[in-house]
Amino acid sequence: QQQVKQSPQSLIVQKGGISIINCAYENTAFDYFPWYQQFPGKGPALLIAIRPDVSEKKEGRFTISFNKSAKQFSLHIMDSQPGDSATYFCAATGNFGNEKLTFGTGTRLTIIP
Amino acid sequence: GAGVSQSPRYKVAKRGQDVALRCDPISGHVSLFWYQQALGQGPEFLTYFQNEAQLDKSGLPSDRFFAERPEGSVSTLKIQRTQQEDSAVYLCASSPSGTGGDSPLHFGNGTRLTVT
Repeated sequence: QQQVKQSPQSLIVQKGGISIINCAYENTAFDYFPWYQQFPGKGPALLIAIRPDVSEKKEGRFTISFNKSAKQFSLHIMDSQPGDSATYFCAATGNFGNEKLTFGTGTRLTIIP
Repeated sequence: GAGVSQSPRYKVAKRGQDVALRCDPISGHVSLFWYQQALGQGPEFLTYFQNEAQLDKSGLPSDRFFAERPEGSVSTLKIQRTQQEDSAVYLCASSPSGTGGDSPLHFGNGTRLTVT
């Protein structure tokens, strides 16, 4: 019940296209859903996050769409650029008293010219 | 400092050796986390400190793993009698308080441990 399932495992998108990564969760106690971006040899860095009281959050080219009834959320990267090539992780946490994040398995995104 | 600092960046240990991994969190950050990231996988929670108190160690895989943060700042993750399955990147993260939206998690670049 603590799992976060992420798809696809890898994604190739042309420059200027839209990249879409999906995640699903089971635990309805989760109330904070961040996305992290990780480059090779680096630690994950927070990209954007959402709480379930809103259905969408946009920051620049990055948008999270959240469907509470379906227990799904997705990351959309508009106008994808080669610099966006990285591994993306969705994550979730709730008010469990231990603050730990449960991560998805990651999506390796490659933006081709 | 400017970010979370971890040392060493790489560690090669022979099976059975003990290792110690160090984390210097961002100054003033109350919360500190250790995660384990296997190749091609997402980070998995190991343990959580609030100041010097270890509030959750439910993710530690075995009693060979031990973490401490004696003065509420620097933390050390120790692995005794290393096994090949311990090979992974060990990530440290800190936050002003907790993990919520008002307190984002900052990760270090990790220590890559290879057990031969």
